[in-house]
Amino acid sequence: GAGVSQSPSNKVTEKGKDVELRCDPISGHTALYWYRQSLGQGLEFLIYFQGNSAPDKSGLPSDRFSAERTGGSVSTLTIQRTQQEDSAVYLCASSDRRGRGYTFGSGTRLTVV
Amino acid sequence: QQQVKQSPQSLIVQKGGISIINCAYENTAFDYFPWYQQFPGKGPALLIAIRPDVSEKKEGRFTISFNKSAKQFSLHIMDSQPGDSATYFCAAGSNYQLIWGAGTKLIIKP
Repeated sequence: GAGVSQSPSNKVTEKGKDVELRCDPISGHTALYWYRQSLGQGLEFLIYFQGNSAPDKSGLPSDRFSAERTGGSVSTLTIQRTQQEDSAVYLCASSDRRGRGYTFGSGTRLTVV
Repeated sequence: QQQVKQSPQSLIVQKGGISIINCAYENTAFDYFPWYQQFPGKGPALLIAIRPDVSEKKEGRFTISFNKSAKQFSLHIMDSQPGDSATYFCAAGSNYQLIWGAGTKLIIKP
């Protein structure tokens, strides 16, 4: 596609529920990144994919967080047993293999109530 | 070390003034230094970027100044406008790896 597409744009969930966030990167971009941004804060790196493999998942905050990427394209970030501290904007970005064209989506605003 | 230190955390500038945001990095292997601009409710968008083989890059009212020996780079916004009010992030890295500054919230007063 023309840009990085994320869905849903907003998600409200009850504490303890599981959520799935989707990212559709720019066509041809082999690298995909997930970040978390709390209100008024900076970018917290979560995980990086190159193709379908994740050579760097060092930023995942706990084992409740997982991500997968299939077909070298769409990625899903799953948060199990959501907690209120998971409330944030989750941003996805993609780039080519060398990191060029690093482009963000508009994010998914997650609210855990 | 992998940190990128960005300052100031917030900045208020009068319309028409010059806005300056600074960043410092530690890893001498980094070879790509972008600046991103983020408006509320949007993801960050690439504004301007520089490679270490040049000391300055200008695009319109936006200029990056790069000091390789000091491991510092800065963003200058000339003739700042209210529409420039946003959060600005610097980053430094190589290949896929970008290390991000903490961001600067810029407010341009009319």
